[in-house]
Amino acid sequence: EPEVTQTPSHQVTQMGQEVILRCVPISNHLYFYWYRQILGQKVEFLVSFYNNEISEKSEIFDDQFSVERPDGSNFTLKIRSTKLEDSAMYFCASSEGGPERDQPQHFGDGTRLSIL
Amino acid sequence: AQKVTQAQTEISVVEKEDVTLDCVYETRDTTYYLFWYKQPPSGELVFLIRRNSFDEQNEISGRYSWNFQKSTSSFNFTITASQVVDSAVYFCALRSTGGFKTIFGAGTRLFVKA
Repeated sequence: EPEVTQTPSHQVTQMGQEVILRCVPISNHLYFYWYRQILGQKVEFLVSFYNNEISEKSEIFDDQFSVERPDGSNFTLKIRSTKLEDSAMYFCASSEGGPERDQPQHFGDGTRLSIL
Repeated sequence: AQKVTQAQTEISVVEKEDVTLDCVYETRDTTYYLFWYKQPPSGELVFLIRRNSFDEQNEISGRYSWNFQKSTSSFNFTITASQVVDSAVYFCALRSTGGFKTIFGAGTRLFVKA
């Protein structure tokens, strides 16, 4: 069964540095998402992306964050000037259709980001 | 505003016991989806079930069963004859039919002891 893949599984970065988390959505999917889970807490929506633009974002997704689909297969989340509180598990998800269709979001296994 | 409440922070049971995880949600939308996910210690999110708000039929899948009651805005999850491998954090979640984002509850950590 096709799946969403995320790399790396664990990323360690010095505070203040930029980090890029990578995701390869399922190949025929058109909608992409990032979620965040701070250790021991709930999973929180960050952003959704369709047709090369952000379709919805949460209040967490401020100017420190950006998303990009640099080529036909990757979907990336960039975090600039990382802070200690950015340490979390970041989940990528994709769906074949948008919210108007009965299409589930498929989640990757996550990237654990540790800011030192 | 949308909200998912999982009042049980942690539950501990002995193997073979039945256990029910509670989920209560709030939404002003007339149509929506409800979900349950399992997060084992390895950290990934494992999809368990999706239920459309139109469909209030209860569902059973092996040892898992779900009780959706729109009148009380609840979507409870029961594991029958629990096993050690069921130990995980379980998240209930909600998404509007017309929305992009999934709203997760805080999760219930289930410990199943041998």
